[in-house]
Amino acid sequence: EPEVTQTPSHQVTQMGQEVILRCVPISNHLYFYWYRQILGQKVEFLVSFYNNEISEKSEIFDDQFSVERPDGSNFTLKIRSTKLEDSAMYFCASLVGLAYEQYFGPGTRLTVT
Amino acid sequence: DAKTTQPTSMDCAEGRAANLPCNHSTISGNEYVYWYRQIHSQGPQYIIHGLKNNETNEMASLIITEDRKSSTLILPHATLRDTAVYYCIVRSRSGNTGKLIFGQGTTLQVKP
Repeated sequence: EPEVTQTPSHQVTQMGQEVILRCVPISNHLYFYWYRQILGQKVEFLVSFYNNEISEKSEIFDDQFSVERPDGSNFTLKIRSTKLEDSAMYFCASLVGLAYEQYFGPGTRLTVT
Repeated sequence: DAKTTQPTSMDCAEGRAANLPCNHSTISGNEYVYWYRQIHSQGPQYIIHGLKNNETNEMASLIITEDRKSSTLILPHATLRDTAVYYCIVRSRSGNTGKLIFGQGTTLQVKP
């Protein structure tokens, strides 16, 4: 069964450093998402991406965040200058069409020290 | 998207049916009910969805009341591996970006 993959599984970085989280969505999917989950809290929507542009973003997704689909297969989330409060699990998800269900990746645990 | 209300936690004995309720009294006519679950800190996993008819797949059954204001997810023979947080989410299948809004969900503990 096709699946969404994410790398790395765990990333440790120092405050102020840039990080790039990588995702490979399911190959025929057209809609892409990033969510995050701070430990012990609920899953929060960050951004949706369709047709090579951001279609919606949450208040969390400020200027420190950016997304890219550089080569038609990868989907990346960049955090420009990490803060302690960016420590969380980051989940990528993809969707073949709006009438269908989302598939989530296993997540990247980001730890900012 | 309509809001949903779920109990914070539930227990179920292994091998028994787990019935997880969800209230979505403000659901509108074009909104579907989706169920996802999250096992420990893994990525959320799709379970089932429905509009107004009852639905069944290999994982679960979904019962939606006639007025569509509430629904119940049924895991017919719960196993220890079904211990997870279960999320009921209401979403239209058009006119939006497809994002999912997660609440706190119901933590289901399956006990031996």
